[in-house]
Amino acid sequence: DIQMTQSPSSLSASVGDRVTITCQASQDISSYLNWYQQKPGKAPKLLIYDASNLEAGVSSRFSGTGSGTDFTFTISSLQPEDFATYYCQHYDNLLFTFGPGTKVDIK
Amino acid sequence: QVQLVQSGVEVKKPGASVKVSCKASGYTFTNYYMHWVRQAPGQGLEWMGIIKPRDGSTTYAQEFQGRVTMTRDTSRSTVYLELSSLRSEDTAVYYCARDLFLEGRRYFDYWGQGTLVTVSS
Repeated sequence: DIQMTQSPSSLSASVGDRVTITCQASQDISSYLNWYQQKPGKAPKLLIYDASNLEAGVSSRFSGTGSGTDFTFTISSLQPEDFATYYCQHYDNLLFTFGPGTKVDIK
Repeated sequence: QVQLVQSGVEVKKPGASVKVSCKASGYTFTNYYMHWVRQAPGQGLEWMGIIKPRDGSTTYAQEFQGRVTMTRDTSRSTVYLELSSLRSEDTAVYYCARDLFLEGRRYFDYWGQGTLVTVSS
């Protein structure tokens, strides 16, 4: 089974900061990697699909890069509404795996 | 508009089973796969499995094999998750989520509101 790791597990940042989260797969997953945002008590929301594609309607301050085993998710200028937990998700035909998540909170 | 509406809160005793429903509307039910994802209190997202509404075929995450059953009723546009031999660690919010699966894109584009299942003696 492919294992997904994320780092850091949590971070504190200020409004306007650039935030970077990494996701690593235990083996090559090409670009089969999505990023979700989840706020407390809410279902996750897709931000980035296939590693680097911005979902329609999502702010361009969110971006993703990477392929193979190493992926990066970036918020270029953190906004108050971005304080949340972020998850990477790998898919392989009928099997899906989430990373453990990265909680972004206010410094 | 697409909606996934789940059944309500459940409280179960250890060893019991629970069945959660997810009713879809606003699209052709059999055209999209459906997933179940759970989240224990304060924990991350855990993928449980997928069901293809067209033929009812399923694939489960290894951790749940033998304890989970996903079914569907096409006449009601509803998918079901049944989890047996419940233990306290199964206390979680359970979500259904639709799989877009369009033009090579695979991600969960719509989610149910979540169903809290509490396992307690």
